[in-house]
Amino acid sequence: DTEVTQTPKHLVMGMTNKKSLKCEQHMGHRAMYWYKQKAKKPPELMFVYSYEKLSINESVPSRFSPECPNSSLLNLHLHALQPEDSALYLCASSQVRAYEQYFGPGTRLTVT
Amino acid sequence: AQTVTQSQPEMSVQEAETVTLSCTYDTSENNYYLFWYKQPPSRQMILVIRQEAYKQQNATENRFSVNFQKAAKSFSLKISDSQLGDTAMYFCAFLKTGNQFYFGTGTSLTVIP
Repeated sequence: DTEVTQTPKHLVMGMTNKKSLKCEQHMGHRAMYWYKQKAKKPPELMFVYSYEKLSINESVPSRFSPECPNSSLLNLHLHALQPEDSALYLCASSQVRAYEQYFGPGTRLTVT
Repeated sequence: AQTVTQSQPEMSVQEAETVTLSCTYDTSENNYYLFWYKQPPSRQMILVIRQEAYKQQNATENRFSVNFQKAAKSFSLKISDSQLGDTAMYFCAFLKTGNQFYFGTGTSLTVIP
């Protein structure tokens, strides 16, 4: 089973809303990642969790707040987003850092 | 920082034909991994093939194979017997042990019926 699931599939939110994106994997992977992807562009790394601890934060604005409640779950809390934050948000996982990553289907986020 | 270059933003191929996507990278490391990922219009990224730099043998997965030239820092993907389902964005990615992925800018491949 190489499945990473993400919910919701689509999200529309206003600039004053608070929402959360969820990611789940049951492959026993100990590293999980959040990426932001614009159309026809490669994914841009936002955060890396390794053994449930935040190990990389790629200078992401504080309106994005990650959380890793346990080894299978990864959340991304959103607050006071800007229209330029509209993108596809991808979650990925790997056995540990530095192995091939398996991606979820993504959440299409639109900020109005 | 590592750089990964995909010089072909768009390509097309006739169904059943063969196409090669190019990727070059820049690194001073000796041990690393290279990957090709496919992202169809449905947008889920799928791992196509991986290559360990210490292996001289080129990786193969069914219709997908790579031509890995370590000295030239080149890692091209060959797709044989192209199918309509191969239409997708293809990203080359570099991974150094203990570090993060570096993605190329992608090649948009269209398979023409």
